[in-house]
Amino acid sequence: DQQVKQNSPSLSVQEGRISILNCDYTNSMFDYFLWYKKYPAEGPTFLISISSIKDKNEDGRFTVFLNKSAKHLSLHIVPSQPGDSAVYFCAASLGKLVFGKGTKLTVNP
Amino acid sequence: EAGVAQSPRYKIIEKRQSVAFWCNPISGHATLYWYQQILGQGPKLLIQFQNNGVVDDSQLPKDRFSAERLKGVDSTLKIQPAKLEDSAVYLCASSSIRGPKNIQYFGAGTRLSVL
Repeated sequence: DQQVKQNSPSLSVQEGRISILNCDYTNSMFDYFLWYKKYPAEGPTFLISISSIKDKNEDGRFTVFLNKSAKHLSLHIVPSQPGDSAVYFCAASLGKLVFGKGTKLTVNP
Repeated sequence: EAGVAQSPRYKIIEKRQSVAFWCNPISGHATLYWYQQILGQGPKLLIQFQNNGVVDDSQLPKDRFSAERLKGVDSTLKIQPAKLEDSAVYLCASSSIRGPKNIQYFGAGTRLSVL
């Protein structure tokens, strides 16, 4: 029973364009959502988060949008850079973190 | 500030052998987590410690997995005996109760291969 779903295993974009990574969840009780970035052979690194009482949080090139009625959140990266190429995990919190399977982003120069 | 330290980075064992992983969290972080990440999946929480007490071990296969956090600092995770399906990356993470909500800091992980 997957409570957090990232339905796109991979995404490829051109440098300078927007990257949009999507995440759906099933449990309306989740109160916090986070995005982590993971490079090969490294642990996940925290990127950005959003409380369930907000619908948008921005940090530099990264913006997370939350649509509670649709149980959907998305991460926007603008502009995308080759160094953004990594696996991105969506996580939802209800005391403990529940992770999605991840989306591999490739930003082509 | 030093990050979460884990060792070893890689381990290859045969099934039915035992193995142990070590984690040293970020200094001052009271909460420590062990996750299992199977290839193609997201990390799955195995056990959570608050200081040296267990907060959540509902997903820890207790017939073969054990973990301890003596003195509320570093921690060890043990598997005995190992099965083929235990092949995964074992991640340790820590967080501060005074830090930003829910943000966990991860180590690089130990990649376990069970043959």
